[in-house]
Amino acid sequence: GQNIDQPTEMTATEGAIVQINCTYQTSGFNGLFWYQQHAGEAPTFLSYNVLDGLEEKGRFSSFLSRSKGYSYLLLKELQMKDSASYLCAVNPNDYKLSFGAGTTVTVRA
Amino acid sequence: DVKVTQSSRYLVKRTGEKVFLECVQDMDHENMFWYRQDPGLGLRLIYFSYDVKMKEKGDIPEGYSVSREKKERFSLILESASTNQTSMYLCASSFLGKGETQYFGPGTRLLVL
Repeated sequence: GQNIDQPTEMTATEGAIVQINCTYQTSGFNGLFWYQQHAGEAPTFLSYNVLDGLEEKGRFSSFLSRSKGYSYLLLKELQMKDSASYLCAVNPNDYKLSFGAGTTVTVRA
Repeated sequence: DVKVTQSSRYLVKRTGEKVFLECVQDMDHENMFWYRQDPGLGLRLIYFSYDVKMKEKGDIPEGYSVSREKKERFSLILESASTNQTSMYLCASSFLGKGETQYFGPGTRLLVL
């Protein structure tokens, strides 16, 4: 089976930086996704990494190290609206995604 | 923008009832997926389909079946609902190919009494 691990909860202050780690052990690798999910809403796509390195998109960045089976999502200049669950998902083979349990980020004023 | 819609946001059903959940996407995606989401367990794949009338079991297919008669529509069927099927059900779609982004519908929160 596939194994995707991420912390359950994180809390940070408005304006701060938070780093959400994700480690994976999967049968194959065709890329790693990060999704954001606000309470009661659908997950929405944030980023996709297939090669090693850092991808930056505004306040959000995602990093991948395939040799270490490791990724992180970096959220900078935190805003209250960033309070959500962040889902790490790996595409091990064909079309399917294997998801971690998600990390709930709470931003405090 | 990709749009994935689900027939209901909330459903309450009785044990033993047959339940139909419908999903429609408007982006001509080949792949469609049904997941359930439970606290602490994340999203788990129930079934997926890569073409009309084609389906494959995911990680937890027991107690569920699916139907894909048209490319844009993918239905999840609970043949005889049970209380352990109380969950959030999410539909997603994507283009065919590895590494394609999946786009999710708003979810159906099902309560089985």
